Amino acid sequence: RKEVEQDPGPFNVPEGATVAFNCTYSNSASQSFFWYRQDCRKEPKLLMSVYSSGNEDGRFTAQLNRASQYISLLIRDSKLSDSATYLCVVNRFNDMRFGAGTRLTVKP
Amino acid sequence: DAGITQSPRHKVTETGTPVTLRCHQTENHRYMYWYRQDPGHGLRLIHYSYGVKDTDKGEVSDGYSVSRSKTEDFLLTLESATSSQTSVYFCAIGTGLNTEAFFGQGTRLTVV
Repeated sequence: RKEVEQDPGPFNVPEGATVAFNCTYSNSASQSFFWYRQDCRKEPKLLMSVYSSGNEDGRFTAQLNRASQYISLLIRDSKLSDSATYLCVVNRFNDMRFGAGTRLTVKP
Repeated sequence: DAGITQSPRHKVTETGTPVTLRCHQTENHRYMYWYRQDPGHGLRLIHYSYGVKDTDKGEVSDGYSVSRSKTEDFLLTLESATSSQTSVYFCAIGTGLNTEAFFGQGTRLTVV
């Protein structure tokens, strides 16, 4: 079993849709959590950190449930430019584990 | 964007040859990492460094070695390249334990 599991996708949604990605992790000692986005043939870029209290950045909302070892990302009012692969990342003292990614395509 | 430069960006090499990839940063970050990315596996940590001459193994370190003689440079060496090491290699930097990492543009390595 992989340490970080994500929805396999792909997700194909129309512009303006709301889409949610889920991620589970197996190491309960994990300390910090992130969502990255990766465009085709590019490097991963930090989208947002994820906190237990939940956090929002514009159209993006991230949630962490430590008890269930579950992380989520919600994207509201999807834009064409949101098309990318979204990576769930779990970190424990420099041991950063990545999910395999969920691919999102937003269509006009 | 974080000041991270990887070189070369693309390389084709033959099985059995040594290969060195270079990562250079201008951010003076303490932590530097090497990852490989393969379809279906996501990114996997090869080695990381927590200071000059201080390195440690990651999840998939076999067949790789690293060196960090200066804060700004982190080298990844494939001692004897194999076809299974064909991959995209990313360098990343970070400021501390449990903080986010910032990635370089990647090196696409093909071993034939």
